[in-house]
Amino acid sequence: GQQLNQSPQSMFIQEGEDVSMNCTSSSIFNTWLWYKQEPGEGPVLLIALYKAGELTSNGRLTAQFGITRKDSFLNISASIPSDVGIYFCAGPFFSETSYDKVIFGPGTSLSVIP
Amino acid sequence: KAGVTQTPRYLIKTRGQQVTLSCSPISGHRSVSWYQQTPGQGLQFLFEYFSETQRNKGNFPGRFSGRQFSNSRSEMNVSTLELGDSALYLCASSLTAPNYGYTFGSGTRLTVV
Repeated sequence: GQQLNQSPQSMFIQEGEDVSMNCTSSSIFNTWLWYKQEPGEGPVLLIALYKAGELTSNGRLTAQFGITRKDSFLNISASIPSDVGIYFCAGPFFSETSYDKVIFGPGTSLSVIP
Repeated sequence: KAGVTQTPRYLIKTRGQQVTLSCSPISGHRSVSWYQQTPGQGLQFLFEYFSETQRNKGNFPGRFSGRQFSNSRSEMNVSTLELGDSALYLCASSLTAPNYGYTFGSGTRLTVV
């Protein structure tokens, strides 16, 4: 079935460093979503992207909708300890036989070393 | 305003039993989606309900079912529990469908022994 791939799988960085992660698919997506999940909680929507080439920021987070529409990127600048969590990309997958459903990538686990 | 509320937070059941999980969406939200999260498979889509109708269903066996009530609250049921059903079950709500700006609850952690 359809799946999203995320890299890297995990990251260990020093506080203050910038972070980059990406999400790829073999199919075209019309919307890209980035979520963050902290331990014991459900995912929280960080950024939504709706157009190829779109660049959107949310504080220190910046996400981009890839030109090919098959990928998306998330950058975090000047990381802080509260950035720790799992970052998921997601997008609506359309099939010929059913309505769209939002599918999630496997996640990138981020650890920040103070 | 109150977020998405899932009850119970934790549940331990025995193989073969059945279980019902509850989700109360944000007030005014009419769409509720359910996901199963496991370390091996990640977040897997179970089903989505909108205005009491199942709008979409994931690739899960018929033991997994759900429904939505007129007040938009939703329940999911798993019958004949298996060890592999142990997971975090997450509910997410949105104003309408399709609408991808989900708000997730904190989940119900189900352990099958």
